[in-house]
Amino acid sequence: NAGVTQTPKFQVLKTGQSMTLQCAQDMNHNSMYWYRQDPGMGLRLIYYSASEGTTDKGEVPNGYNVSRLNKREFSLRLESAAPSQTSVYFCASSQKAPPDTQYFGPGTRLTVL
Amino acid sequence: LAKTTQPISMDSYEGQEVNITCSHNNIATNDYITWYQQFPSQGPRFIIQGYKTKVTNEVASLFIPADRKSSTLSLPRVSLSDTAVYYCLVGGGSNYQLIWGAGTKLIIKP
Repeated sequence: NAGVTQTPKFQVLKTGQSMTLQCAQDMNHNSMYWYRQDPGMGLRLIYYSASEGTTDKGEVPNGYNVSRLNKREFSLRLESAAPSQTSVYFCASSQKAPPDTQYFGPGTRLTVL
Repeated sequence: LAKTTQPISMDSYEGQEVNITCSHNNIATNDYITWYQQFPSQGPRFIIQGYKTKVTNEVASLFIPADRKSSTLSLPRVSLSDTAVYYCLVGGGSNYQLIWGAGTKLIIKP
């Protein structure tokens, strides 16, 4: 039982490049989340998915797209990376909708040059 | 949206009780208060959750006054392994709006 897994662990991009961050959970959870964490700012919700095929914008969705491929997987795509998107990205899942307990992945550290 | 405010850092010693307070003046009627712990290079981990009054589990207690505009996480008899960043999270009552505090870095000294 791996919990929540994220790939890659580290990534360096140049401005304008695109990439997809992958997230998968094996706990049969319904809800999934993408956050970014910046120094001194805590976590900010980018997108939320209540179930397969449904997604909702969070606090900071601009510059990102998401896809809930199936119940297990929730990917985050940066179409044209910008230095302001340099951050640590966390994926999380919960059995039920908020405020149910969230289980987090190990994070992806992204640097955009 | 509720805004959460917590101290940036705190120090304490092994064996002491530590209390970390979070302010959330604009908390909505249906919002819950949740606390998470985060170690370096890891994702946050759930500690405790409450709506009002007092909640206790095997690792912590959460005190919420009647007006719910603040909450206090209490860690009894801390050890060096409790050194971490602690986050207050408010929301989830009627939708997925989730507001995290900036975190409190707790350092436990021997």
